[in-house]
Amino acid sequence: AAGVIQSPRHLIKEKRETATLKCYPIPRHDTVYWYQQGPGQDPQFLISFYEKMQSDKGSIPDRFSAQQFSDYHSELNMSSLELGDSALYFCASSPRDSSTYNEQFFGPGTRLTVL
Amino acid sequence: GQSLEQPSEVTAVEGAIVQINCTYQTSGFYGLSWYQQHDGGAPTFLSYNALDGLEETGRFSSFLSRSDSYGYLLLQELQMKDSASYFCAVRDRDTGRRALTFGSGTRLQVQP
Repeated sequence: AAGVIQSPRHLIKEKRETATLKCYPIPRHDTVYWYQQGPGQDPQFLISFYEKMQSDKGSIPDRFSAQQFSDYHSELNMSSLELGDSALYFCASSPRDSSTYNEQFFGPGTRLTVL
Repeated sequence: GQSLEQPSEVTAVEGAIVQINCTYQTSGFYGLSWYQQHDGGAPTFLSYNALDGLEETGRFSSFLSRSDSYGYLLLQELQMKDSASYFCAVRDRDTGRRALTFGSGTRLQVQP
């Protein structure tokens, strides 16, 4: 079965650089979410898209932006990187016919290290 | 807003039964979900309780009491591979937001 795909899996950047993370949701899933997980912490919601439109915002810094494209893939753009941005970034998707959206399918994550 | 509380760590031996509790405070409530996450891995959905009672899925069961704002995940016949972090999670009914708010997670260590 197809899963959520994220790239790159690992990324190392210097402070003040920019980074772009990509996510390819499961086909026919209409909602995409981005979560950030620091070491030893729970995943924190950043932003989500429903049918290519931004639907909700969480604790996403102004330095970050995201979009979803016509093929449903999504990109998280991060600028002016700070040491505190070092974390695992997960993309998740949920199916079109979900009655609750409580079951979300997570990708393997991108581990971002800011030096 | 929402907040969820879980114990930070639980230790048990292979073959045993362990219960991971979760208490929540939320003004609006769609139900309680549980996710498993191995070190360095992605969260994986385990179960969801919308109504009071017990839901069983193989060795794992999940319970919800909405009147007590309380739920638990029960793991039976523990195996070494069950060593992972377990998160309870909710959605915000007031805003209708589809994103999940997670508890701080319970790290389960299964010993031989």
